[in-house]
Amino acid sequence: SQQGEEDPQALSIQEGENATMNCSYKTSINNLQWYRQNSGRGLVHLILIRSNEREKHSGRLRVTLDTSKKSSSLLITASRAADTASYFCATDWNTGNQFYFGTGTSLTVIP
Amino acid sequence: AAGVIQSPRHLIKEKRETATLKCYPIPRHDTVYWYQQGPGQDPQFLISFYEKMQSDKGSIPDRFSAQQFSDYHSELNMSSLELGDSALYFCASSFSGNTYGYTFGSGTRLTVV
Repeated sequence: SQQGEEDPQALSIQEGENATMNCSYKTSINNLQWYRQNSGRGLVHLILIRSNEREKHSGRLRVTLDTSKKSSSLLITASRAADTASYFCATDWNTGNQFYFGTGTSLTVIP
Repeated sequence: AAGVIQSPRHLIKEKRETATLKCYPIPRHDTVYWYQQGPGQDPQFLISFYEKMQSDKGSIPDRFSAQQFSDYHSELNMSSLELGDSALYFCASSFSGNTYGYTFGSGTRLTVV
């Protein structure tokens, strides 16, 4: 399966701490994206990293991509209670532009 | 800014009934994708359309069909509903060639009883 797998499946941290989530995938990709989903709500695009990029930043988010290991990580710094959500990585194939989502990491930030 | 609009937000149907979900993409977006997310599951790709033609097909059951209309809105038709069809159905849109993230709608929560 092309689907990414997030690790850990659940993460609970104190407000102000950093949260790191990892994603592994199985085949070559063009892009990898991270999405956030509040419980029962829509998916919100956070950041896209291309296969020829190694690191991207957006505000408190930092994403790394290691194509040799077929893995990516999402770091949220100085977490806030409002960051509580599920985080999914999504990867695409070489053909078409549909994305395959991983199983997600459920992040709980305790105030 | 306009977002992806899905209707209805919630839908309750009985087994063996039919449901139709609608998706209105962001203006000028010509590609629509449908995803199904079961309880506690990751979103699964169902089907996509580009310029009113089916562009890709995922794990969409034969009981489901979809199309994209001339105004680029899309409808997902689900027949002979089963309890296992209860899920959140998301639509996303993009502009062809745009490799940046989709924009997702808020989803339709379908409950089959």
